[in-house]
Amino acid sequence: QKEVEQNSGPLSVPEGAIASLNCTYSDRGSQSFFWYRQYSGKSPELIMSIYSNGDKEDGRFTAQLNKASQYVSLLIRDSQPSDSATYLCAVFTGTALIFGKGTTLSVSS
Amino acid sequence: DAGVIQSPRHEVTEMGQEVTLRCKPISGHNSLFWYRQTMMRGLELLIYFNNNVPIDDSGMPEDRFSAKMPNASFSTLKIQPSEPRDSAVYFCASSLALPVYGYTFGSGTRLTVV
Repeated sequence: QKEVEQNSGPLSVPEGAIASLNCTYSDRGSQSFFWYRQYSGKSPELIMSIYSNGDKEDGRFTAQLNKASQYVSLLIRDSQPSDSATYLCAVFTGTALIFGKGTTLSVSS
Repeated sequence: DAGVIQSPRHEVTEMGQEVTLRCKPISGHNSLFWYRQTMMRGLELLIYFNNNVPIDDSGMPEDRFSAKMPNASFSTLKIQPSEPRDSAVYFCASSLALPVYGYTFGSGTRLTVV
C-alpha cells in the first residue's frame, strides 16, 4: 500500500526562523509531489509542487526533493505567525494524490 | 472563478438517515475527487472521476457509500444508511491536469451523524 509519512508535530519555531517540514513516501515510482497548507477549519490550499530532484524556490518557500531517498521537504524562511497551520505532503500515484496526515506548525511572535 | 463549490457546509443527521453531499467542480476541470478527512486517518481518497466516469472507487469504505457524476458540472456523494463513524469532513476537489497542477479543494462538508 502506498504511504506518505509526516511527523505530526507540533513543530514550534519563533517568528523569523526557518521552519523545516519533512515527508517520506513509499512508492519509488512517484514523480510529482505537492505541499498543501490547511488552516484550522479550512480546506487545503496548494503551496508548491516539485517534480525534479533538487530545490524549487517560491518566495519564502523552498521545496526539496530527493527521489533516491524518497524524501520531500518544505522550508519556510522568515516564518510568520500567519504561517501557523497544518502542512500536508501529497504524492501523485498515477491516478490521484495520496496525502500524509500533516505536520502542525506553530510560529510564535 | 468561483472555485469548487460544495453543499451543504454542515450536515447533522440521525443514524440510519440518507445523506447526500454535492459538489460543483471548476469549469473546464476534467477530474473530480472525493476525500474524507478525520483526525485519526487524515485525508482519505474515496473515489475519482475522469471526464465524468468513475475510475477508481477502491477507497469507498462500504456499499453504504455511492457517488455519481451525471455531467461535467455536478457530482454527488451519498451515504445510506448513515452511521456515527461516518462523521468527518468530506472534501471535493477538481483538477485540470493533476500531475502538473494538483487539486483545488472545495470548502468541505462537515458531517455529523448522531
